[in-house]
Amino acid sequence: DAGVIQSPRHEVTEMGQEVTLRCKPISGHDYLFWYRQTMMRGLELLIYFNNNVPIDDSGMPEDRFSAKMPNASFSTLKIQPSEPRDSAVYFCASSSRDKNTEAFFGQGTRLTVV
Amino acid sequence: AQTVTQSQPEMSVQEAETVTLSCTYDTSESNYYLFWYKQPPSRQMILVIRQEAYKQQNATENRFSVNFQKAAKSFSLKISDSQLGDTAMYFCALYNFNKFYFGSGTKLNVKP
Repeated sequence: DAGVIQSPRHEVTEMGQEVTLRCKPISGHDYLFWYRQTMMRGLELLIYFNNNVPIDDSGMPEDRFSAKMPNASFSTLKIQPSEPRDSAVYFCASSSRDKNTEAFFGQGTRLTVV
Repeated sequence: AQTVTQSQPEMSVQEAETVTLSCTYDTSESNYYLFWYKQPPSRQMILVIRQEAYKQQNATENRFSVNFQKAAKSFSLKISDSQLGDTAMYFCALYNFNKFYFGSGTKLNVKP
């Protein structure tokens, strides 16, 4: 398996623009997580899905953030409109409760909003 | 509430020596999982070692081992024979209620 795949690796955008981050989880995993990593706050859980259904989005900072998982092999995290304080590394991770439970992370998307 | 605390923001160790990274956590559950993840400068999060709370035996993976003290809610990571490639951020994580809770990380520098 290729692991969790995120795209793009880097994204630079102007304030006010829409940004879409993409994630392909490991096949067979039933949990998908979106994390944000900053120096100040560390790793923050934004939202997680189980079997494509959003279970807990209490970590989503505000209405500008939205996430979808239309099928088991694809998820998006959208920020609209983006702001400079959204600059961070965004990680997607997947796991399987039936297997080892560990979270497998993608390589992250470094987002810079100027 | 589920919390994970790493009290050492940064540590250094000489190559080939042993270092221990500390982690404490809080949960009211009796069954959970604990992990150590490594994040090198490439920023990829890599699993180092995992521990199931119902297992009393401490997990080991080659040069990496843990000291799991369930009553004290302590989960430290020992790295033996440190190598330059061990230089990274290390995160302690608690898995409970289908979510992962991460500590703030310890930056480990291995010096030649």
